[in-house]
Amino acid sequence: KQEVTQIPAALSVPEGENLVLNCSFTDSAIYNLQWFRQDPGKGLTSLLLIQSSQREQTSGRLNASLDKSSGRSTLYIAASQPGDSATYLCAVFSTGTASKLTFGTGTRLQVTL
Amino acid sequence: KAGVTQTPRYLIKTRGQQVTLSCSPISGHRSVSWYQQTPGQGLQFLFEYFSETQRNKGNFPGRFSGRQFSNSRSEMNVSTLELGDSALYLCASSLKGDEQYFGPGTRLTVT
Repeated sequence: KQEVTQIPAALSVPEGENLVLNCSFTDSAIYNLQWFRQDPGKGLTSLLLIQSSQREQTSGRLNASLDKSSGRSTLYIAASQPGDSATYLCAVFSTGTASKLTFGTGTRLQVTL
Repeated sequence: KAGVTQTPRYLIKTRGQQVTLSCSPISGHRSVSWYQQTPGQGLQFLFEYFSETQRNKGNFPGRFSGRQFSNSRSEMNVSTLELGDSALYLCASSLKGDEQYFGPGTRLTVT
């Protein structure tokens, strides 16, 4: 059974800092991995999707990497801004359970002025 | 292109009642998935429909059911509501079941 863990659970950084969020999964047989952000009481916004054959994806100040063999992904946020404050979730599609995302518990990020 | 829409956005129901939630996917998307989000359990997969067929199901009791219509719109039904069913219910759509796009959710409170 796939399990997804995110560390740290919460993070507070001053504006302008670069930061890394971590995601690990127990079963390396995945189709892809998707990063989301969630604002309080809202739905999920897709940030980046990494296919299992890819090593990384970039969108603006965000860069996500994937190491399938070690069961890890990182989300790098450059030059953080207060608007980046949200909960960040990673989720994986596992082989054999296509269309079902298994989510991590999330990292709650606060960027302070 | 319009995003995923869910109705209603908020619901308050009493134990024992039943509820129906609706989800309209992004135009052209044929896959619709449902997730339950609670503070204690996080996000959990309920089921996924593709072209009107349930393709995958999570570990929820039979009180939770769903369906998909020919226009890809989907409904989720919960019968005999329990206090523990209070949650944010999220719907996601995708083209083939890959990259997921989520709606704003329906906040269900059971009293």
